[in-house]
Amino acid sequence: DSGVTQTPKHLITATGQRVTLRCSPRSGDLSVYWYQQSLDQGLQFLIQYYNGEERAKGNILERFSAQQFPDLHSELNLSSLELGDSALYFCASSSIDTKAFFGQGTRLTVV
Amino acid sequence: DQQVKQNSPSLSVQEGRISILNCDYTNSMFDYFLWYKKYPAEGPTFLISISSIKDKNEDGRFTVFLNKSAKHLSLHIVPSQPGDSAVYFCAASPNTGTASKLTFGTGTRLQVTL
Repeated sequence: DSGVTQTPKHLITATGQRVTLRCSPRSGDLSVYWYQQSLDQGLQFLIQYYNGEERAKGNILERFSAQQFPDLHSELNLSSLELGDSALYFCASSSIDTKAFFGQGTRLTVV
Repeated sequence: DQQVKQNSPSLSVQEGRISILNCDYTNSMFDYFLWYKKYPAEGPTFLISISSIKDKNEDGRFTVFLNKSAKHLSLHIVPSQPGDSAVYFCAASPNTGTASKLTFGTGTRLQVTL
């Protein structure tokens, strides 16, 4: 158990819809990262938050947004969903030590 | 453009033998490399890392070798155990491995057979 909790584990939704993925980081970790893993792809970095502020941005679509709340949990919002958004979405957290700990992921299926 | 490549999608090794997983990279700015292991229905877990100032790092049964001139690294698992069966991701970073700068390979599925 990495200490990073993601909910839900599975999500099935229709094209055009909007979903919210939730992540609770390890206790004490200020940084939260979101990654996407599509079929046969490596993990692609989407966005990082540090103590409530956006810290770094990767290959995140404009239809996607994230935020980190005062209690340090984070949400990834995906809107106007397309079939190609079907993927595993991982959240990771880290503290001063730069090695990240990953959650179990949310498997999103867009039909 | 895949900057970190794991050209073998799968590998099967007998228990007790050596497993060698390979990774190639193209970006010469990468100087910190990590291996993550992933079981089904779990997130990736950090396994071992190496900085570009070294050419070898060892942790128990796991050793990572780095050949900077060839832009190649490998993970050796000796001896391989059934519990090592998982997907292994290679990742690279231009600095100390902060998760926002990691570039991951597509993974190699290792199957350790009895």
